[in-house]
Amino acid sequence: LAKTTQPISMDSYEGQEVNITCSHNNIATNDYITWYQQFPSQGPRFIIQGYKTKVTNEVASLFIPADRKSSTLSLPRVSLSDTAVYYCLVGDRDNNNDMRFGAGTRLTVKP
Amino acid sequence: KAGVTQTPRYLIKTRGQQVTLSCSPISGHRSVSWYQQTPGQGLQFLFEYFSETQRNKGNFPGRFSGRQFSNSRSEMNVSTLELGDSALYLCASSLGTAGEAQYFGPGTRLLVL
Repeated sequence: LAKTTQPISMDSYEGQEVNITCSHNNIATNDYITWYQQFPSQGPRFIIQGYKTKVTNEVASLFIPADRKSSTLSLPRVSLSDTAVYYCLVGDRDNNNDMRFGAGTRLTVKP
Repeated sequence: KAGVTQTPRYLIKTRGQQVTLSCSPISGHRSVSWYQQTPGQGLQFLFEYFSETQRNKGNFPGRFSGRQFSNSRSEMNVSTLELGDSALYLCASSLGTAGEAQYFGPGTRLLVL
């Protein structure tokens, strides 16, 4: 399984765009990239998933360069409620639920 | 559609006892995975069940076991509890096909005294 590396923590201010980058140098051909958000004492919540190029949904965008060795989660105009831990996971399509969570990135949004 | 539910939400046990946690997946989801989350180790994968069969397993001792029923509901059991088993136990469900995202329940917080 490909290992992921993310910044331990990030700070931002309300209304700003936040970009969290995840490195996954050993990503395999069949691997896809998924991001989750977790609030204290709650289960992680799926945010977005992609395989290559760019994916956008109502809450975030995921940018994946051509070599797929990294990916960037973009959160537009964050608010205080976006303060959470964000996890990047790289998953094998053949074992899609054998997922390894890293330490995640603790995002703190300040007023 | 109702989300993933886990029971009980909180549990206190003593060392040496055993515990059974329950998870009801989202309707139509056939895969259920279990995770342990602690401040020191973070989120760790325990095992995954699909169509009543264990499909993947993490690096946990045999004291941790699980099963899945024909209606996709799942239980996990921890025998001979140790203090280090105190954690938030999370269940996640998905359709089980390649590439599907998982949907997590609120978790069961277990405290072992």
